[in-house]
Amino acid sequence: DADVTQTPRNRITKTGKRIMLECSQTKGHDRMYWYRQDPGLGLRLIYYSFDVKDINKGEISDGYSVSRQAQAKFSLSLESAIPNQTALYFCATSELGTSGSRRNEQFFGPGTRLTVL
Amino acid sequence: EDQVTQSPEALRLQEGESSSLNCSYTVSGLRGLFWYRQDPGKGPEFLFTLYSAGEEKEKERLKATLTKKESFLHITAPKPEDSATYLCAAFAGGSYIPTFGRGTSLIVHP
Repeated sequence: DADVTQTPRNRITKTGKRIMLECSQTKGHDRMYWYRQDPGLGLRLIYYSFDVKDINKGEISDGYSVSRQAQAKFSLSLESAIPNQTALYFCATSELGTSGSRRNEQFFGPGTRLTVL
Repeated sequence: EDQVTQSPEALRLQEGESSSLNCSYTVSGLRGLFWYRQDPGKGPEFLFTLYSAGEEKEKERLKATLTKKESFLHITAPKPEDSATYLCAAFAGGSYIPTFGRGTSLIVHP
């Protein structure tokens, strides 16, 4: 079974609709992240959470919100979808890093392809 | 501002033709550098983490190396199944939020 799962895998919606993308993980990691990927632009960080009570904006948080329901669950919402939010969305997790830790690599889910018409 | 630049953007090789991908970084206080492989429409798959200049990691036909300014991913005698986009990311400081490069798209022809 996959360690990081995302639902839905594909979604087509219309401008103005509210959309929620969900991420669950069984890796037991404290840190979770949401990225979007666009051709030619690479991965861009939307939001990240270091634990259930900690939520932080990334470089492109406008138009998005998140909820960390539990250590294992992190949801991304588009309150009112617009066409330029059409992209591939990835959830990722990592262990809690410390200055002496060598376990800081991120593990990614399979992605959600979102199309906003 | 932290920056990671990968080159070339795209690379076409014949099967068995060895080559290297470059990842140059401008990061204050590098804590580590990641390499990932990404197949079309799928999530990035972790390959290596390098923590200090001079460090090397190997996996099958891939070897990653790190200097104070850049990292290389060497591909020895590639096969068509090595075709993918390879991403690198550098992280620094206490937050451990990595900065990703835009990737190198590798195609290996049989």
